[in-house]
Amino acid sequence: QKEVEQDPGPLSVPEGAIVSLNCTYSNSAFQYFMWYRQYSRKGPELLMYTYSSGNKEDGRFTAQVDKSSKYISLFIRDSQPSDSATYLCAMSEMDSSYKLIFGSGTRLLVRP
Amino acid sequence: DTAVSQTPKYLVTQMGNDKSIKCEQNLGHDTMYWYKQDSKKFLKIMFSYNNKELIINETVPNRFSPKSPDKAHLNLHINSLELGDSAVYFCATSSPSGSNYGYTFGSGTRLTVV
Repeated sequence: QKEVEQDPGPLSVPEGAIVSLNCTYSNSAFQYFMWYRQYSRKGPELLMYTYSSGNKEDGRFTAQVDKSSKYISLFIRDSQPSDSATYLCAMSEMDSSYKLIFGSGTRLLVRP
Repeated sequence: DTAVSQTPKYLVTQMGNDKSIKCEQNLGHDTMYWYKQDSKKFLKIMFSYNNKELIINETVPNRFSPKSPDKAHLNLHINSLELGDSAVYFCATSSPSGSNYGYTFGSGTRLTVV
């Protein structure tokens, strides 16, 4: 079993829809939770970062962490075709190695 | 001016060859990483250097050898390339404070072994 599980999709939605992306994890020591967006043939870019539990909002994006359930989510409101990409969750323990463990990514397609 | 640049972007080579991938960053970050992304988009850490010191060395064949000549550079040398080494290799850096959210990735080196 992988430390971080993520549904690979693809997830296809119409423009304007609310998108929900999720990851589950098994390591209770994870404290930092991130979402990265990766366009085709590009490197991942950081979208959202959350420390411990709670919600964080940035424009159309909301990240949620539920440590009791070991479950994190990314919501995208008013989705746009430019949001079409692979979304990777990533997590890290609060230690000096700064090692990020990634989910396998969910491919999102927003149809015009 | 690219923050994390990798060369080459594409590399096609035959089995058994030795090749190197280079990474340079101008962000002043202390920590640099090599990640491997397979065909299913799974990103897995290979190595990490902090101030030129190796701090993470995951279960990677010893055909892979990282080298950090200075804080701004991290290279990856691969000996005796195998078909299974075909993947995209990403260099990444993290912020000077060591905060875990500060990963910046390069655009990747797509390695194809034939």
